Amino acid sequence: QVQLVQSGAEVKKPGASVRVSCKASGYTFTNYGISWVRQAPGQGPEWMGWINVYNGNTNYAQNLQGRVTMTTDTSTNTVYMELRSLRSDDTAVYYCARHPGYCSSTSCFSYYFDHWGQGTLVTVSS
Amino acid sequence: QSALTQPASVSGSPGQSITISCTGTSSDVGGYIYVSWYQQHPGKAPKLMIYDVSNRPSGVSNRFSGSKSGNTASLTISGLQAEDEADYYCSSYRSSNTLIFGGGTKLTVL
Repeated sequence: QVQLVQSGAEVKKPGASVRVSCKASGYTFTNYGISWVRQAPGQGPEWMGWINVYNGNTNYAQNLQGRVTMTTDTSTNTVYMELRSLRSDDTAVYYCARHPGYCSSTSCFSYYFDHWGQGTLVTVSS
Repeated sequence: QSALTQPASVSGSPGQSITISCTGTSSDVGGYIYVSWYQQHPGKAPKLMIYDVSNRPSGVSNRFSGSKSGNTASLTISGLQAEDEADYYCSSYRSSNTLIFGGGTKLTVL
């Protein structure tokens, strides 16, 4: 069965960086795009960007450009999300989520998420 | 980027039907078929309930249905059950390769 398993909770100080991993199993990894979505406490989700896991092409949300990097390791079926220059309002649960289809850097076959990781709580606090 | 607009809360009794609205603009909800709905129980990841306005994934009850008119999409749940109590979020593709979510609606089953 499809599974997305994320790394554990993180506590970071303002200005630091965090890297969250998402290991996929149960399907052909390179055939599907992955997005990262975060959800601050008590808020709705916020889309952060997507990655073509085959070639690493990305499309980031405009408000995170320059602070976020998504990468992929096809040898371990793992996607990574790094967020830099952390601020207190980056405190959120971060999810990886699978698009049921291919994503290029400019479009996806589908714009919804059929499977989600369990979430990773990132707390930014001094 | 502004979120899609959803009512903060809705409620209904078991067996009743409720509808949750999701209002956007012609650049997102009104301009594309790419509207989806997610159910989220406390402490859990969202679960896909409806995609591409009105399609139901396999395994989702046919009590859940979606529709769209103009810039507003809707999720209807018929025959309310206790386990439907959760937060519901809409999502839409927005022009310029962006995805956007609503602020969420808390459904209470009375």
